[in-house]
Amino acid sequence: SQQGEEDPQALSIQEGENATMNCSYKTSINNLQWYRQNSGRGLVHLILIRSNEREKHSGRLRVTLDTSKKSSSLLITASRAADTASYFCATDGLYGNKLVFGAGTILRVKS
Amino acid sequence: DAEITQSPRHKITETGRQVTLACHQTWNHNNMFWYRQDLGHGLRLIHYSYGVQDTNKGEVSDGYSVSRSNTEDLPLTLESAASSQTSVYFCASSESTEGPQYFGPGTRLTVL
Repeated sequence: SQQGEEDPQALSIQEGENATMNCSYKTSINNLQWYRQNSGRGLVHLILIRSNEREKHSGRLRVTLDTSKKSSSLLITASRAADTASYFCATDGLYGNKLVFGAGTILRVKS
Repeated sequence: DAEITQSPRHKITETGRQVTLACHQTWNHNNMFWYRQDLGHGLRLIHYSYGVQDTNKGEVSDGYSVSRSNTEDLPLTLESAASSQTSVYFCASSESTEGPQYFGPGTRLTVL
């Protein structure tokens, strides 16, 4: 079963545009994490946001968390071709503190 | 630099054979995880370990086993490979049970 569900499943944008991906989850959480996966590679951790935080920034990344709606969003500003990848949210809470990953959003940034 | 490695990177085997996938990390992390990734399912947890001699079942543990004899290694064994176990397998480690996980490059396993 999946705790996090990303939306959209796929997103195609032009270089320089902003990309927004959303994640919805079902149970209460301690934290929510976002990961990036380039084709044929392992996942890379991007950012962790705790349940008592509403917004977090890291470089061109901005993550928001709305625990009342059980949702999070990942915003990538001024996207680059190198941002082309799959992006996953992962939450704890469904199986204790173990992470449960969503199916991911495939982002394609066209140059 | 610390890292996490997996071997082999690609493996083709036959139904019924025993297969072991290796995972080795030099982060000195106590927590290690095995996931499988299939199209449309994201990553699903197979087994995990919080330290030496500790192993636990994840969401999709049937047909898999792990052992943890030292901090650095968590090998994953498929006792009798089935075609349904064709997948990409990722190993990960973390410093804390709730913190970021560091992933290996993955092993693509094909069971014919």
